[in-house]
Amino acid sequence: QQKVQQSPESLTVSEGAMASLNCTFSDGTSNNFRWYRQHSAKGLEVLVSIFSDGEKEEGRFTAHLNRANLHVSLHIREPQPSDSAVYLCAVRSSGSWQLIFGSGTQLTVMP
Amino acid sequence: EAAVTQSPRNKVAVTGGKVTLSCNQTNNHNNMYWYRQDTGHGLRLIHYSYGAGSTEKGDIPDGYKASRPSQENFSLILELATPSQTSVYFCASGEGHYEQYFGPGTRLTVL
Repeated sequence: QQKVQQSPESLTVSEGAMASLNCTFSDGTSNNFRWYRQHSAKGLEVLVSIFSDGEKEEGRFTAHLNRANLHVSLHIREPQPSDSAVYLCAVRSSGSWQLIFGSGTQLTVMP
Repeated sequence: EAAVTQSPRNKVAVTGGKVTLSCNQTNNHNNMYWYRQDTGHGLRLIHYSYGAGSTEKGDIPDGYKASRPSQENFSLILELATPSQTSVYFCASGEGHYEQYFGPGTRLTVL
């Protein structure tokens, strides 16, 4: 079964510095990748969905996918303290509808 | 945008007691889902539903029942709650499986 792992578990960056989060997956046929943000006491907010190798930008959030390396990353440009949250990677294998989630990265943005 | 609400937001239960977690969605989505989130595991699928009267088992259904009495409502039932069911529970809804809109979560503590 698909395994999804995120790193680092926690990350602290200064306001305005780029934040980079990583996600590796085990099924090279996966075809749907999402990054969610989870603020405490709120639901999950989808930030970026990416379906093919390369880059997908949504505002300050950019996802990079390299299926050959079983790797998808999220880069947050000019992070703000309000971006402090847990970020979850979710992956769907081809032939399956289920989203498999990683365990998350806790991002803290210091003013 | 999909609106998914959950109640209660926080619940403390005793071992052996019955717990019902409720979810309501207002966007007329056919599919609804229940996940739990635990440290180190990400979100794991417990039960899901394709519409009123339908319930299906997810990856970790043991100890849980689900009920979908209407298009809008989807409940998760713990008949005999155990401390291992202490977790944060998320409900989601979607049209098809490709977009899932999440509620704010319910924090359940079983003593």
